Amino acid sequence: EDQVTQSPEALRLQEGESSSLNCSYTVSGLRGLFWYRQDPGKGPEFLFTLYSAGEEKEKERLKATLTKKESFLHITAPKPEDSATYLCAVGRNTDKLIFGTGTRLQVFP
Amino acid sequence: EPEVTQTPSHQVTQMGQEVILRCVPISNHLYFYWYRQILGQKVEFLVSFYNNEISEKSEIFDDQFSVERPDGSNFTLKIRSTKLEDSAMYFCASGRDRRSGELFFGEGSRLTVL
Repeated sequence: EDQVTQSPEALRLQEGESSSLNCSYTVSGLRGLFWYRQDPGKGPEFLFTLYSAGEEKEKERLKATLTKKESFLHITAPKPEDSATYLCAVGRNTDKLIFGTGTRLQVFP
Repeated sequence: EPEVTQTPSHQVTQMGQEVILRCVPISNHLYFYWYRQILGQKVEFLVSFYNNEISEKSEIFDDQFSVERPDGSNFTLKIRSTKLEDSAMYFCASGRDRRSGELFFGEGSRLTVL
């Protein structure tokens, strides 16, 4: 059965304190791994797609990496505006995305 | 910047009533989706729609659910006879292609079934 597990569930960081979020997955025939950001009361906002092991993508303070079993979202020198829930999702050769439960990140000034 | 819009933002209904949730996807997108998120749980896929027909649906999307694209802009989700367990945030999303996983989500419609 396809599974996506994210850890930690919640993370509190001081502004400037770098860290990583983990997404481990079990899926047959991975089409891609996707990272989204979700602010409270809003819909998910697309961040990255990773297609194959070894691939990396960067956007501002965020960097996503992928291995055959997991993905990491590295946050470098975070700011309070990076506070959100970060969702990982996987896709097979179908339309649906399978989401994890997310990591709730809080960055304090 | 173009965005997906959803109405209503919040709907309260009695169990057994019909509900229609409306979405206006981004105009040049070809793929349309409904997802839902029960409070505190994962975002779950309901259905995808392409070329005026359902291309995929989940086990959740039973006979009580239907989708329609009645004109060139709107995309609707109908729940025929709501149950308590249908209470959730329903997200509409659209995308330019299938492979990239780059979906544009609306802000959601919160459905409360009493």
